[in-house]
Amino acid sequence: DVKVTQSSRYLVKRTGEKVFLECVQDMDHENMFWYRQDPGLGLRLIYFSYDVKMKEKGDIPEGYSVSREKKERFSLILESASTNQTSMYLCAGTTGMNTEAFFGQGTRLTVV
Amino acid sequence: GQNIDQPTEMTATEGAIVQINCTYQTSGFNGLFWYQQHAGEAPTFLSYNVLDGLEEKGRFSSFLSRSKGYSYLLLKELQMKDSASYLCAVMDSNYQLIWGAGTKLIIKP
Repeated sequence: DVKVTQSSRYLVKRTGEKVFLECVQDMDHENMFWYRQDPGLGLRLIYFSYDVKMKEKGDIPEGYSVSREKKERFSLILESASTNQTSMYLCAGTTGMNTEAFFGQGTRLTVV
Repeated sequence: GQNIDQPTEMTATEGAIVQINCTYQTSGFNGLFWYQQHAGEAPTFLSYNVLDGLEEKGRFSSFLSRSKGYSYLLLKELQMKDSASYLCAVMDSNYQLIWGAGTKLIIKP
């Protein structure tokens, strides 16, 4: 199984801060994804990456950026945190194009 | 647009059977996934259907009808630990996952 680990379980940040959410997976040539999950909504894709240095925008990229300098690490960056970015953030990895996703434990971010 | 519909909440009794439905309208189809998510935790994979029919895995089964854009997850011999949200997700023609909002399943003794 792919193991996906997110650096923080809970985070509280102030409005305007730059926030880094880290995600590490333990298999090579992995596809990686960042989602946010809000009550009453399905998971919404923020960014994804199929290879090192490669990134693609998902459905809601505004206010976010990502970095993938190494295959095992995919970081989500909130350039200037806002209260509407308070959410559960989930990182996921897959081994192929139509295989199941393995999720990290999630980071519950609160922006005050 | 792309859309996944599933009931918001369902209640069932311990030991009983429950069926959670999922209907979808997507641009293309490369498979349908079911995930389980306990409160405050990450989703975990339950099943994958790409061909029509029933896939059985222990107490859980998943059914797919591509012509009807319909799937269901069947949970038998319900246990209290099955109280969770169940997420339906469809992989579209671009191999992107489209997620339903999830069905919260409440199990009563």
